[in-house]
Amino acid sequence: GAGVSQSPRYKVAKRGQDVALRCDPISGHVSLFWYQQALGQGPEFLTYFQNEAQLDKSGLPSDRFFAERPEGSVSTLKIQRTQQEDSAVYLCASSLMGTGWDEQFFGPGTRLTVL
Amino acid sequence: GQQVMQIPQYQHVQEGEDFTTYCNSSTTLSNIQWYKQRPGGHPVFLIQLVKSGEVKKQKRLTFQFGEAKKNSSLHITATQTTDVGTYFCAGIGSSNTGKLIFGQGTTLQVKP
Repeated sequence: GAGVSQSPRYKVAKRGQDVALRCDPISGHVSLFWYQQALGQGPEFLTYFQNEAQLDKSGLPSDRFFAERPEGSVSTLKIQRTQQEDSAVYLCASSLMGTGWDEQFFGPGTRLTVL
Repeated sequence: GQQVMQIPQYQHVQEGEDFTTYCNSSTTLSNIQWYKQRPGGHPVFLIQLVKSGEVKKQKRLTFQFGEAKKNSSLHITATQTTDVGTYFCAGIGSSNTGKLIFGQGTTLQVKP
């Protein structure tokens, strides 16, 4: 079956531009997570959805970052007025249950480069 | 806030040698998960440990969760070139919000 997909795979933005990153989780998965992974580092938690409810957004670095999952499936991470420090790989993961106690399936990521 | 540290950051071994990576949390963990990320790839789930003192094996890989549920280790016996990659531990604290905190990872290089 299909895994988690993300688009675009690569995004180059000029400083100050807005970007939108899309995540298609595995069908039927309740939980959806967004992570930011800088080069040589582990994934850093950004936000977590259980169905359409955003239960934890404590990892979003600033109010320029916004995530939504309006129908409980596809999710979009939006970054407004991008800055150079936003350059990273943005990973989306989904899991079957809503507790965070089961394995997370990661997508291939979107590599964002802000010039 | 909660932090998860991993050592070593890098490890180079000769094929056939053993390898161990250690994970330590600043707070007690509800569970610990291990992921492997191949170069250019994304993290792939390996295993989850939940009980204090738990030990699980997957072929040449042995995972342990400490008695105090604040540390964990991954040991690979007789490494192979297919073991190359970065190994991450990740834990959920007591809040049970689903928020996984990842360590920085240990990158393993295996010389054939």
